[in-house]
Amino acid sequence: EAQVTQNPRYLITVTGKKLTVTCSQNMNHEYMSWYRQDPGLGLRQIYYSMNVEVTDKGDVPEGYKVSRKEKRNFPLILESPSPNQTSLYFCASSSTLNRGTEAFFGQGTRLTVV
Amino acid sequence: AQKITQTQPGMFVQEKEAVTLDCTYDTSDQSYGLFWYKQPSSGEMIFLIYQGSYDEQNATEGRYSLNFQKARKSANLVISASQLGDSAMYFCAMREGDSYNNDMRFGAGTRLTVKP
Repeated sequence: EAQVTQNPRYLITVTGKKLTVTCSQNMNHEYMSWYRQDPGLGLRQIYYSMNVEVTDKGDVPEGYKVSRKEKRNFPLILESPSPNQTSLYFCASSSTLNRGTEAFFGQGTRLTVV
Repeated sequence: AQKITQTQPGMFVQEKEAVTLDCTYDTSDQSYGLFWYKQPSSGEMIFLIYQGSYDEQNATEGRYSLNFQKARKSANLVISASQLGDSAMYFCAMREGDSYNNDMRFGAGTRLTVKP
């Protein structure tokens, strides 16, 4: 089954404790991205990756890091989480960047930073 | 600047009636794609329907149709014969055709509640 898998689904952590949210897709997609969803703001892009070893900032990259060492994996790293990073996070992948290409989303990770 | 605007934070509709969720967008590209996603309370993002900027016909997928008015830059989602299972958040998104980062940009969403 074609899917994007994120882990964990839920996470509560304390301020400053480094964490990683994993994302893996089995569709051989070149393009992957991370979004955060906040009430009233919709989904905002954090980082994206065009291919292995090619990553770039999205609209809200502060406080996040990513890496793309393999095509299928695109982890999101919070080196020193803060309460304003409490949010619902989505990983997404696309086969191309053509205007008609659907994005496939992971199940979401609900992160709470206390 | 906000590229996708959804002006209805919340909407109510009676079961079996039709409802329109509004979406306007802003782009200078001639080539772009418009998408609607559904997010039920479980949180996943479900693709519903797509409209290309060059498509002359409005897109339809079952009970979903997209009322595309290019000159007004609007792409409203119409859900016919609403069902209780349609209660969810709905997001409008756009993928521009000529940008380096052609990733999707999303609106703030509309929460639809279907009343029995």
